[in-house]
Amino acid sequence: DGGITQSPKYLFRKEGQNVTLSCEQNLNHDAMYWYRQDPGQGLRLIYYSQIVNDFQKGDIAEGYSVSREKKESFPLTVTSAQKNPTAFYLCASNAGYTDTQYFGPGTRLTVL
Amino acid sequence: GENVEQHPSTLSVQEGDSAVIKCTYSDSASNYFPWYKQELGKRPQLIIDIRSNVGEKKDQRIAVTLNKTAKHFSLHITETQPEDSAVYFCAASWGHDMRFGAGTRLTVKP
Repeated sequence: DGGITQSPKYLFRKEGQNVTLSCEQNLNHDAMYWYRQDPGQGLRLIYYSQIVNDFQKGDIAEGYSVSREKKESFPLTVTSAQKNPTAFYLCASNAGYTDTQYFGPGTRLTVL
Repeated sequence: GENVEQHPSTLSVQEGDSAVIKCTYSDSASNYFPWYKQELGKRPQLIIDIRSNVGEKKDQRIAVTLNKTAKHFSLHITETQPEDSAVYFCAASWGHDMRFGAGTRLTVKP
C-alpha cells in the first residue's frame, strides 16, 4: 500500500468552497475507489472507477465528483453541495483480477 | 444491497487472552471477506482475508472462519499483545462491491 498516495494529509475548507483531494497510485491497478469514514462508522463508498474515463456512483455520491483521466490518478472534488463534508477520506485501489483493496494514508477534511 | 453487521463495537481483553470479533452479511453472492486493522489516524491495513470456497484460514496468531450457510464470519486473535490494540473492520464483497462493518475497537491491557 506504499504505492498509493493521497494529498494533502489535512485540508480545511470554508463554507461554500469546492476542494479537490488527490489520489495517485503507481501499482498499475485498474480499479480505484473513494471512501468516506466518520467516527464510529465503517467506510462508505463515494465513487469507484474500474477503467480510465469511466466511474460509477457509490452509496453516498451526492455532493462529490470525480474524474479518471489517467490510470494512476483518481481525484475527488468535494463540492459546496456536500452539506456535511467533515470526515476522513480514504482512497483505495485493486488490480482488477483480485478483490483485495489497498488503501492510501487518507485526507482529513475539516470545514471551518 | 449488501449489509454487514459487526459485533462487538468495543472489546477489552487482558494481554495474552484471545479476542473474537463477529460479522454477519446479507448478500449470498458475497464471496470475499477481508479483515482490516486501523490504528488511530492511519490507513486500514489488510491483516487476513478468506474466500467463500474456504471455511478457515490462519496466519500465526490470527485466524478467520467463515460459515456461508449462516452468512457469518469471525476474526480470532490469540495471545493478544498491546500492539494489537486498534479498530478492526470486517468487509464482504462481490466483485467491486465491498461493504464494511462499523468496526470494533479492541483494547489489549498490559
